[in-house]
Amino acid sequence: DAKTTQPPSMDCAEGRAANLPCNHSTISGNEYVYWYRQIHSQGPQYIIHGLKNNETNEMASLIITEDRKSSTLILPHATLRDTAVYYCIVRPGGSGGSNYKLTFGKGTLLTVNP
Amino acid sequence: GAGVSQSPSNKVTEKGKDVELRCDPISGHTALYWYRQSLGQGLEFLIYFQGNSAPDKSGLPSDRFSAERTGGSVSTLTIQRTQQEDSAVYLCASSFAAQSETQYFGPGTRLLVL
Repeated sequence: DAKTTQPPSMDCAEGRAANLPCNHSTISGNEYVYWYRQIHSQGPQYIIHGLKNNETNEMASLIITEDRKSSTLILPHATLRDTAVYYCIVRPGGSGGSNYKLTFGKGTLLTVNP
Repeated sequence: GAGVSQSPSNKVTEKGKDVELRCDPISGHTALYWYRQSLGQGLEFLIYFQGNSAPDKSGLPSDRFSAERTGGSVSTLTIQRTQQEDSAVYLCASSFAAQSETQYFGPGTRLLVL
């Protein structure tokens, strides 16, 4: 699986947009970009995923560059409860192999400040 | 709807005792996964169940670890003769069907072996 690079930490003011970057320069054509987050002492929470097109759901937006080598997770109006470690991972689509074995890197600790 | 549930949420045991951890996946999800997350460490895959197929047990760290899934739903992870290095958060996840489907995690069971 392609590796990802994220900044170790970021700060954001409450109510402002939080933009979390992720580099995945070795991503393959069939690999999706997934974002999870883990709030302290809780299990990982799925946020969003995408392949090529930008995606939006009730939690966040995912912007993927045209060359797919990087992406940005956007939390449009960050709240204190969004303070968490955010993980960007890439994983192949389709069946076969062991693409179900998720691995998280160190992620980005996002701290939302009042 | 209801998410993945796990019980107990916390378990403290003495070295050498056996423990059982339970996971109730999201209704309708045929795939179920167990992971382990040690303090400050990443996600470690343990085992994967998919429908009636033979489970992928390749991540189980020793023969003291076993898991079963009854009736294609509830799963139990058993650790025999627990050791202090087994202390970790044990996470269960489920997905709708295929290996590439999004995995949804439970809150985890925090195991402390004294």
